[in-house]
Amino acid sequence: AQKITQTQPGMFVQEKEAVTLDCTYDTSDPSYGLFWYKQPSSGEMIFLIYQGSYDQQNATEGRYSLNFQKARKSANLVISASQLGDSAMYFCAMREGPGSDYKLSFGAGTTVTVRA
Amino acid sequence: DTAVSQTPKYLVTQMGNDKSIKCEQNLGHDTMYWYKQDSKKFLKIMFSYNNKELIINETVPNRFSPKSPDKAHLNLHINSLELGDSAVYFCASSQVHLGDRVNYGYTFGSGTRLTVV
Repeated sequence: AQKITQTQPGMFVQEKEAVTLDCTYDTSDPSYGLFWYKQPSSGEMIFLIYQGSYDQQNATEGRYSLNFQKARKSANLVISASQLGDSAMYFCAMREGPGSDYKLSFGAGTTVTVRA
Repeated sequence: DTAVSQTPKYLVTQMGNDKSIKCEQNLGHDTMYWYKQDSKKFLKIMFSYNNKELIINETVPNRFSPKSPDKAHLNLHINSLELGDSAVYFCASSQVHLGDRVNYGYTFGSGTRLTVV
């Protein structure tokens, strides 16, 4: 079964507007971490933001925020004030505890294109 | 610079050849990984080593053999390359044994684009 689901293969957003990327996950492990990575066309994987399963508050990092809804098992990424440089592929990922050997499982990704 | 570095960045080779990709991290992490990103951009774990010990070995052809001479290095050797091996291979590292509230994400190398012709 897919552990991470990203249902939006591609999205367009106007420059300076906000965009929300959806991510749902599936785990029975009470301890897990959720991550978002950005992969621009140059190919490198850039860490954006992290949310721990026990964290009470939603994570924020500059223009990135994570809308964590634990009961719904969703961890949506919000990018505010989009910039042309935000055009990239975005991956949601989850890391479970010792039972899964701490491996990071990725979703299929969402391609974001920012329009001027 | 503290980083995960992998070489080469590009590798073009003929079917049937044997090739290696090297990876080194100077972050002091205890665990290293190899991921494969296919043409549809899907990332799938191949191997993981913790302190030189193999802990994850996903369903990967045995033509792929990882080697970890020390905890800062994890190399990937591929025998008898096939067309389907063409992909981007990412090395990554992480510190596994941390508390729940600490960010224990991965740091990725820049990737090796392997093209088998």
